[in-house]
Amino acid sequence: AQTVTQSQPEMSVQEAETVTLSCTYDTSENNYYLFWYKQPPSRQMILVIRQEAYKQQNATENRFSVNFQKAAKSFSLKISDSQLGDTAMYFCAFPFGRGSYIPTFGRGTSLIVHP
Amino acid sequence: DTEVTQTPKHLVMGMTNKKSLKCEQHMGHRAMYWYKQKAKKPPELMFVYSYEKLSINESVPSRFSPECPNSSLLNLHLHALQPEDSALYLCASSQEAGTGTYEQYFGPGTRLTVT
Repeated sequence: AQTVTQSQPEMSVQEAETVTLSCTYDTSENNYYLFWYKQPPSRQMILVIRQEAYKQQNATENRFSVNFQKAAKSFSLKISDSQLGDTAMYFCAFPFGRGSYIPTFGRGTSLIVHP
Repeated sequence: DTEVTQTPKHLVMGMTNKKSLKCEQHMGHRAMYWYKQKAKKPPELMFVYSYEKLSINESVPSRFSPECPNSSLLNLHLHALQPEDSALYLCASSQEAGTGTYEQYFGPGTRLTVT
């Protein structure tokens, strides 16, 4: 079975600090994409970052970066210089959940950034 | 325009009512999705339309009936719902379905309450 696991239901961080959210997955595929989505309270879910499995270089988008370990099937999200607006649910998504290339979402991590 | 719009924002309906949710995108995306989301949980896939044809139905009860009138519009018709169907209903679109390559763009959702 192809699964996505987020083992941290809740995390908190002080403003301006760095936090890392973990995600692991299981697949027998070799080429694929992985995604992190952010859903702020009562707001729209948006893409944070995307990683292509065949690229060795970790993806970066401003303060957001990933640590992609293909052999370990790990895809963690690092948020640097955390801001209050980063408070949200974060979902790791992997498009091989049911063999249909439709994204399967992890259970999510609720991140709270404290002032 | 990278927006997915959904109407209405909120809906309260009785168990005998018939109502519809509407979703629209003008990004030229050929895949559209309906998800159901409970609080602090990941979105649960309900339906996938690819090139205006229903390609995935995740064993959703028949009281939910999707419709894709054209490539920009997606409707979800509701009839004889149960209180446990109360949730946030999200619409999403992506450039294609079935490749695992493209990120999804989400609408703000319709908050449905069944009384």
